[in-house]
Parts: sequence; structure tokens; C-alpha cells
Amino acid sequence: QSALTQPASVSGSPGQSITISCTGTSSDVGTYNFVSWFQQHPGTAPKLIIYDVTKRPSGVSNRFSGSKSGNTASLTISGLQAEDEADYYCSSYTSSSTYVFGTGTKVTVL
Amino acid sequence: QITLKESGPTLVKPTQTLTLTCTFSGFSLTTNGVAVGWIRQPPGKALEWLAVIYWDNDKRYSPSLKSSLTITKDTSKNEVVLTKTNVDPVDTATYYCVHIFSFGDDIWFDPWGLGTLVTVSS
Repeated sequence: QSALTQPASVSGSPGQSITISCTGTSSDVGTYNFVSWFQQHPGTAPKLIIYDVTKRPSGVSNRFSGSKSGNTASLTISGLQAEDEADYYCSSYTSSSTYVFGTGTKVTVL
Repeated sequence: QITLKESGPTLVKPTQTLTLTCTFSGFSLTTNGVAVGWIRQPPGKALEWLAVIYWDNDKRYSPSLKSSLTITKDTSKNEVVLTKTNVDPVDTATYYCVHIFSFGDDIWFDPWGLGTLVTVSS
């Protein structure tokens, strides 16, 4: 299985909205609503911010939202804040009953 | 409160076998829907999913690493062990274990352990 494809970097100014894409195939993102998003600050473990494409764990800001269309899932961060500067990874369940992660996106707050 | 902690050697020689232990608390690996997974991250690179073991002892492995990985659980000790045979410098990475809930319409990976850095070098 190949890693899901994400843009290497996305940037935005404080207050703006940005969207990160995560492109897979019909064997993962396109078939299953088991797409998750993780936020990782330098030197720390990843943190779950979205699961099951659109669901937010308790305690995660509602500025984070997820969606999916076809083989591509997306994470939108609204009202961008300095603390949102981090690496973001998507993941998906696959038809092989395994999981696959994305290539990762570095978000920069200008 | 669910917590997980990875432990194992910090330095391993090429061709050796790497054994990592995930010790957890706050949940039982005998509960329907519960699993523990292993993910690694080479320095400066992306996350890579490695393996998962479920409450019913079902095991799944990354297709590209399946031949070199083994995952087991000891429910009495609240431990999950991952072994990787014939390690190579490319296996240098931070290795994370994570609590997984997989049931019905829900799958989530949360929380994660802090990770343990393993360096493969002679």
C-alpha cells in the first residue's frame, strides 16, 4: 500500500482558513469513512484531532473540521492561530484491514 | 485515564532483532473493540503504520514489513510487544504505540505513547 498523498506545506495568515488535502485510492479513503487527522508539534507525539472523516474528539477546537469527496479527504482549519503551526497527518483504514498514513503537511502561520 | 509507554533499547546493531514493549493502563485488551497499534517515524520524516493487535488476538501488519514483524500481547501484564528482525539503519526511528478503538462506525487512534527513539548503527 502506498502512503496517502498530502501537500508538503500549507501556509496562511492568522484568522484565515486553510485546507489540507489527503488523496488515497478506492482501496482506502474512497471506500471507508475511517479517515483520521493528527496534529504533531515538534518533539511531541501525534494528537488525534479528527476521526471517522468528520468527528472531533472531546476537547478539540471546533476550528478543525473534516470532509471527504471521492478518494480525497480534507482538513480545514478556520480562524488560523499561531498555535496551529505544526505537522498534520491523515490516515485511513484499507481494504487489507490495515492502516495507512499520509505523507504529512507542514502548516506555517505567517 | 488511558496511558501508554514504550520501552526498549535505544541502540541496536544491524541484522539484530529489535524488541519493543508497550505498557499500558486505563483499559483492557480483552474489551471488545480495543486494540493497540505500533507506528514509527524516522527523524524528520512521516509517520508509518506498522502493526495492530486486537482484543480477540487478530493481528495485522504493514504489507511491506510483514515478513519481519511480530506483534503479541500479554493481557495479564497489560503489555504489547513488537519485534522486528534483521534491522537496518533505515529502521532508525521514534516508535510509538497507540490505543485504538475499532467498533461499528468508529475507529480512533487515541491516546498515543510518548514514543521511544531507536537508532540502528554498528
